[in-house]
Amino acid sequence: RKEVEQDPGPFNVPEGATVAFNCTYSNSASQSFFWYRQDCRKEPKLLMSVYSSGNEDGRFTAQLNRASQYISLLIRDSKLSDSATYLCVVNPAGTALIFGKGTTLSVSS
Amino acid sequence: GAVVSQHPSWVICKSGTSVKIECRSLDFQATTMFWYRQFPKQSLMLMATSNEGSKATYEQGVEKDKFLINHASLTLSTLTVTSAHPEDSSFYICSVSQGANQPQHFGDGTRLSIL
Repeated sequence: RKEVEQDPGPFNVPEGATVAFNCTYSNSASQSFFWYRQDCRKEPKLLMSVYSSGNEDGRFTAQLNRASQYISLLIRDSKLSDSATYLCVVNPAGTALIFGKGTTLSVSS
Repeated sequence: GAVVSQHPSWVICKSGTSVKIECRSLDFQATTMFWYRQFPKQSLMLMATSNEGSKATYEQGVEKDKFLINHASLTLSTLTVTSAHPEDSSFYICSVSQGANQPQHFGDGTRLSIL
């Protein structure tokens, strides 16, 4: 089992749609979790951290289920500018990050 | 503003050339920096952890004699790809973290193309 698995997509949605991405991780001792966004040929940028209680930042909601080792990201009211690759990132222990391959989102008008 | 500065952003050079990439932490002193590599349509893969004042820790399969890392100060780490070959062509990105379990902030990345 891969350390961090994501559905690669692509997810093609119209503007205004709600879209959800899922991610599973293999190391049950993982301590911290993040969603990053990566635009084509650019560096990853932190979108949000993911907390056990779930957290929301504007149109973005992240959820963590430690029992199922599952992380999700929900994007509401999709914008054209949301088109990017979304990386699920897990920190098993200490400071090294493990990246998923990413889920590609394409929002069209 | 930017937390991490990486330079150069793009390098094209002949096979056999050595290439140095710099990574600077702008906002805080970083005892640890990370070097990643990303091939097209692949995930970021950690190459090594750069430790200020001591040897870098390399991931399995990464040749330490080929990818030389120097972390001489709390704000600067360098990665030198020695005698680069076409298979070394990739996107190299550095990052810094403010501590354990904290998110990492990435440099702009260096796109290396070896002819």
